[in-house]
Amino acid sequence: QKEVEQDPGPLSVPEGAIVSLNCTYSNSAFQYFMWYRQYSRKGPELLMYTYSSGNKEDGRFTAQVDKSSKYISLFIRDSQPSDSATYLCAMRDLANFNKFYFGSGTKLNVKP
Amino acid sequence: NAGVTQTPKFRILKIGQSMTLQCAQDMNHNYMYWYRQDPGMGLKLIYYSVGAGITDKGEVPNGYNVSRSTTEDFPLRLELAAPSQTSVYFCASSLEAGGNNEQFFGPGTRLTVL
Repeated sequence: QKEVEQDPGPLSVPEGAIVSLNCTYSNSAFQYFMWYRQYSRKGPELLMYTYSSGNKEDGRFTAQVDKSSKYISLFIRDSQPSDSATYLCAMRDLANFNKFYFGSGTKLNVKP
Repeated sequence: NAGVTQTPKFRILKIGQSMTLQCAQDMNHNYMYWYRQDPGMGLKLIYYSVGAGITDKGEVPNGYNVSRSTTEDFPLRLELAAPSQTSVYFCASSLEAGGNNEQFFGPGTRLTVL
């Protein structure tokens, strides 16, 4: 079983739609949860970061963590064609601060 | 600031050849990392370094070696290239290990081993 599972997509939505991206994980020790955005042929860039459970909002982006279900989500409101990219979730525990576990990424396409 | 730079952008190797993937950062970050990204598999940590002269293995270190003689540079060495090492390689750096520990990624090196 993979440490982190993520639906690869692709997910295709019309401009302005609300997008929901999700990851599940198996290691209950994970405490830090991140979402990265990766444009084609580029390196990942950090979008959102949350510690433990709860919600975090940044502009059109909301990250949610449900530790009881081992499930994290990224919501994108009013999606734009410029949001078209692959979204990777990543997480780590307190002990292994240099060890990040990445999901395989979900490819999102926002159609104008 | 250039951030994290990687060279070359692309490379084709024959089985058994060796090469060094270069990585440099100008942000004075202590922590540096090498990942490989295979299609549908996410990023896997190969090696990391917490400072000049200190390196440690990640999840998939076999077939690779690293060195960290300066804060800025963290080259990755492939000694005997194998087709299983065909991948996209990303170098990353971060200022610290605790808390957020945001990693800044380079643009990647696409390596094909034939």
